[in-house]
Amino acid sequence: QKEVEQDPGPLSVPEGAIVSLNCTYSNSAFQYFMWYRQYSRKGPELLMYTYSSGNKEDGRFTAQVDKSSKYISLFIRDSQPSDSATYLCAMMVGNNNDMRFGAGTRLTVKP
Amino acid sequence: SQTIHQWPATLVQPVGSPLSLECTVEGTSNPNLYWYRQAAGRGLQLLFYSVGIGQISSEVPQNLSASRPQDRQFILSSKKLLLSDSGFYLCAWSPGLAVNEQYFGPGTRLTVT
Repeated sequence: QKEVEQDPGPLSVPEGAIVSLNCTYSNSAFQYFMWYRQYSRKGPELLMYTYSSGNKEDGRFTAQVDKSSKYISLFIRDSQPSDSATYLCAMMVGNNNDMRFGAGTRLTVKP
Repeated sequence: SQTIHQWPATLVQPVGSPLSLECTVEGTSNPNLYWYRQAAGRGLQLLFYSVGIGQISSEVPQNLSASRPQDRQFILSSKKLLLSDSGFYLCAWSPGLAVNEQYFGPGTRLTVT
């Protein structure tokens, strides 16, 4: 079993749809959770950063962490064609420089 | 604001040739620095990280090496490239201390032929 599991997709939605992206993990010691957006042939861009369980909202993006289920989600409201990218989840135990990434979900938002 | 640079952007090298990829960070001091490799359809694999000048930690055995000659400069090298070294190489930095977010550079796409 991989330490971080993420459905690679691809996921295709119409413009304006609500998108749900998810990751599961096996290491209960993870405390810090991040979502990155990566456009084709570019470096990943940090979107959301959360600590422990709970929700965090930033504009059209909401990150949720459920540590009891070892499950994290990223929701995108009112999705736009510019949201088309690969989304990577990442997590780490603490300040130990060892971040673990999911394989990424490729999202396409069709106009 | 902080900026991270990588070069070259694209590189095609024959098997057995040497490699040198460079990463520099502007606008911050004493960052933690990281080298990752991203294979197609796979997540990022941490190769090296550094918490200070001359301090390098290696995460996986390989024919690659890293050096940090200056506070904001991180170099990835190889003496002899293998076909399996092809991939997308990403440099990242974090403020260190209790801050865990990592910020990535634009990447170098390496093709070994």
